[in-house]
Amino acid sequence: GPKVLQIPSHQIIDMGQMVTLNCDPVSNHLYFYWYKQILGQQMEFLVNFYNGKVMEKSKLFKDQFSVERPDGSYFTLKIQPTALEDSAVYFCASSLNRGPNERLFFGHGTKLSVL
Amino acid sequence: AQKVTQTQTSISVMEKTTVTMDCVYETQDSSYFLFWYKQTASGEIVFLIRQDSYKKENATVGHYSLNFQKPKSSIGLIITATQIEDSAVYFCAMREGNNYAQGLTFGLGTRVSVFP
Repeated sequence: GPKVLQIPSHQIIDMGQMVTLNCDPVSNHLYFYWYKQILGQQMEFLVNFYNGKVMEKSKLFKDQFSVERPDGSYFTLKIQPTALEDSAVYFCASSLNRGPNERLFFGHGTKLSVL
Repeated sequence: AQKVTQTQTSISVMEKTTVTMDCVYETQDSSYFLFWYKQTASGEIVFLIRQDSYKKENATVGHYSLNFQKPKSSIGLIITATQIEDSAVYFCAMREGNNYAQGLTFGLGTRVSVFP
């Protein structure tokens, strides 16, 4: 079936550095999402991106976070600067539509370790 | 605010039997969508089945079916004729009808282990 690819699978960085997580969504999908899962906790919504803009974001989507998808390439999540509490697995997802036929396809996740 | 609770941390079953997983949800909205996802050992998260709140009939896809009890705010997942490859973590999720601002709200997940 359709696949969402996330690169890298694991990223280790020092606190205060910038990190960019990359996502290659399903090719014809229009809506893109980032979710965050801290070890042992529920997966939580961060942001939804459509038509080049952030549509909705949660309170977890701090000012240090930004997303973009320049020219239909990777959908990226950038954190600058990183903090210890940003350590988590970040899942990218995409969907063709929203509402009654909504169905999200998720990537395998990128494990971010902030030291 | 929406909330999803999965009380079962793990379940072990023998192959070819039926497994049932619980999920209860909280919402103020009269319209909402309920989903079940599966996360395999490789980390892949796969959509399994959904139930729209306005539909009375329980959804069924392949060997997955739902037990939707709206008055109890409950949406159980039933897997019949389990196979070894059904071993995974199963997540229940919900989204309120017109509330996209919170995305999907997930439960903590139930780990299912299927033994031969």
